Amino acid sequence: DTEVTQTPKHLVMGMTNKKSLKCEQHMGHRAMYWYKQKAKKPPELMFVYSYEKLSINESVPSRFSPECPNSSLLNLHLHALQPEDSALYLCASSQRSGGGNTGELFFGEGSRLTVL
Amino acid sequence: DAKTTQPTSMDCAEGRAANLPCNHSTISGNEYVYWYRQIHSQGPQYIIHGLKNNETNEMASLIITEDRKSSTLILPHATLRDTAVYYCIVSSGSNYQLIWGAGTKLIIKP
Repeated sequence: DTEVTQTPKHLVMGMTNKKSLKCEQHMGHRAMYWYKQKAKKPPELMFVYSYEKLSINESVPSRFSPECPNSSLLNLHLHALQPEDSALYLCASSQRSGGGNTGELFFGEGSRLTVL
Repeated sequence: DAKTTQPTSMDCAEGRAANLPCNHSTISGNEYVYWYRQIHSQGPQYIIHGLKNNETNEMASLIITEDRKSSTLILPHATLRDTAVYYCIVSSGSNYQLIWGAGTKLIIKP
């Protein structure tokens, strides 16, 4: 199984809603990532978890709250988002957890978020 | 952290080799060069990566110049399914961060 599964594929939410994006991998990877991608732009790194601990937070606003319940799961909790947060949210995982050469990142298909 | 520069777009005829250049003139000694591609509305797909030596796998070849300031991704026999945005990325030497370039939109024409 070389898949990273993200749910939901599409999410529409209001600015006062609380929702969550979910990501799952069963490849035994020790690092998991959240990226944000706006239209016609490259993905931007948001968070990195290594061995279920948050190791990188790229100055992401607190309305985005990541969680790694176990080594296979990664969540992104959303609260009080703004319309400009509308984007494709990508989850990825890698076998290696370390600087420089993480090796191949496996990406999910993404969750497309629209904030009204 | 090193940044990358890529042409905005390129065309290539089907069946020909597609050569995609990338400049990373500020790359440091322990930073790797990665290539990913993203077909419309899908998640990025890993292609290849390298440090110093040229690399080849079933998808592509990666040629890194001796001074490591630039690289070229080669798709040896492009097909219509290779139409995508190709990202050249330099990994950060100190952490997991992959610094994504703006990408090259490669269009394969019949």
